[in-house]
Amino acid sequence: AQSVTQLDSHVSVSEGTPVLLRCNYSSSYSPSLFWYVQHPNKGLQLLLKYTSAATLVKGINGFEAEFKKSETSFHLTKPSAHMSDAAEYFCVVSDIAGKSTFGDGTTLTVKP
Amino acid sequence: DAGVIQSPRHEVTEMGQEVTLRCKPISGHDYLFWYRQTMMRGLELLIYFNNNVPIDDSGMPEDRFSAKMPNASFSTLKIQPSEPRDSAVYFCASTLTGDNSPLHFGNGTRLTVT
Repeated sequence: AQSVTQLDSHVSVSEGTPVLLRCNYSSSYSPSLFWYVQHPNKGLQLLLKYTSAATLVKGINGFEAEFKKSETSFHLTKPSAHMSDAAEYFCVVSDIAGKSTFGDGTTLTVKP
Repeated sequence: DAGVIQSPRHEVTEMGQEVTLRCKPISGHDYLFWYRQTMMRGLELLIYFNNNVPIDDSGMPEDRFSAKMPNASFSTLKIQPSEPRDSAVYFCASTLTGDNSPLHFGNGTRLTVT
């Protein structure tokens, strides 16, 4: 069995300040982990994925995430928020059969 | 690569009517998923297919919902009869075999049942 917990349902930051979106997971084996972003009225878009090659994963738009096995975490960060980053973010764990478990999502608000 | 294509983008119908949502996955992908997204329940997996065969339909809310995948390039999700509580955004996604393959989502169909 696998599960995902996104620790914050809403995060608000000012433009130019760092972003931290937190995600914890549980899995009975070495998981594949993903972050997706959803802008209003759009489908989900892949930001980045962890597949055991490296613990620090770089994605699109300046985002990155660090896999910490000891903490079962996969937090998403960005050094400097941009207004266009305002969206909903989903942390996802995938099993070997390709079935994905989604977190409940974190809504990121960026203030000017 | 055109991505996952869903149609229609918006559907407004009256309670009791049949609704059919369509999806064309990315060519070569062997998994196809149908999700439903609402404010109250978030993103829910309804059903998924592997090589056109339904693998897990435990997320389908009730018998009013049915899904088919007659070939590798087309799938439908049908609701008959539709009810107001079915109003949601329905997403189709596809991927390749392998646990490190990401999902590729369509832009969704926004269904409103009045």
